Amino acid sequence: DTEVTQTPKHLVMGMTNKKSLKCEQHMGHRAMYWYKQKAKKPPELMFVYSYEKLSINESVPSRFSPECPNSSLLNLHLHALQPEDSALYLCASSPEGEIEKLFFGSGTQLSVL
Amino acid sequence: DQQVKQNSPSLSVQEGRISILNCDYTNSMFDYFLWYKKYPAEGPTFLISISSIKDKNEDGRFTVFLNKSAKHLSLHIVPSQPGDSAVYFCAASSGNTPLVFGKGTRLSVIA
Repeated sequence: DTEVTQTPKHLVMGMTNKKSLKCEQHMGHRAMYWYKQKAKKPPELMFVYSYEKLSINESVPSRFSPECPNSSLLNLHLHALQPEDSALYLCASSPEGEIEKLFFGSGTQLSVL
Repeated sequence: DQQVKQNSPSLSVQEGRISILNCDYTNSMFDYFLWYKKYPAEGPTFLISISSIKDKNEDGRFTVFLNKSAKHLSLHIVPSQPGDSAVYFCAASSGNTPLVFGKGTRLSVIA
């Protein structure tokens, strides 16, 4: 299994909603990432988990809350988002010692109304 | 300040010809460079990489060239195929730090 699976593929939410994005990989990778990508822009790193511990938080607003329940799962909890948070949210993982070799999921296209 | 720059937002190439995608970087600490390919509604997929100790890496129709003195790398695709039409991201890393991505170049291969 060489896939990173993200659910849902599409999500529309209001500014008062609470929702969660989910990511799963079974490649034994111990580093997992959340990226945000807007149209015609490069992916922007949000969070990095290493061995289920948050190792990097790129000054992301607290309305985004990551969670890593175990080595295969990564969640991103969303609350009180703004319309400008609408974007493609990508999950990725990488093998141990090869932080640069990212395996991306297909992403969740999020629209905040 | 962008550390990885892809100055051509788009490129059109005839099928069968060579596609050359360019990437420049400013951080001399970068020691590993990668190209990712992205189709619409999919996540980026790893295509090819090169370490700073090399100046060329080839994988089938794809070759990446690195010119460290110019802080420039390029991806050559030959022959180009319609299925190569996608957005190509250049990315770089230094040591054990997360990747820095360029803005991407949209390649269109015309049949």
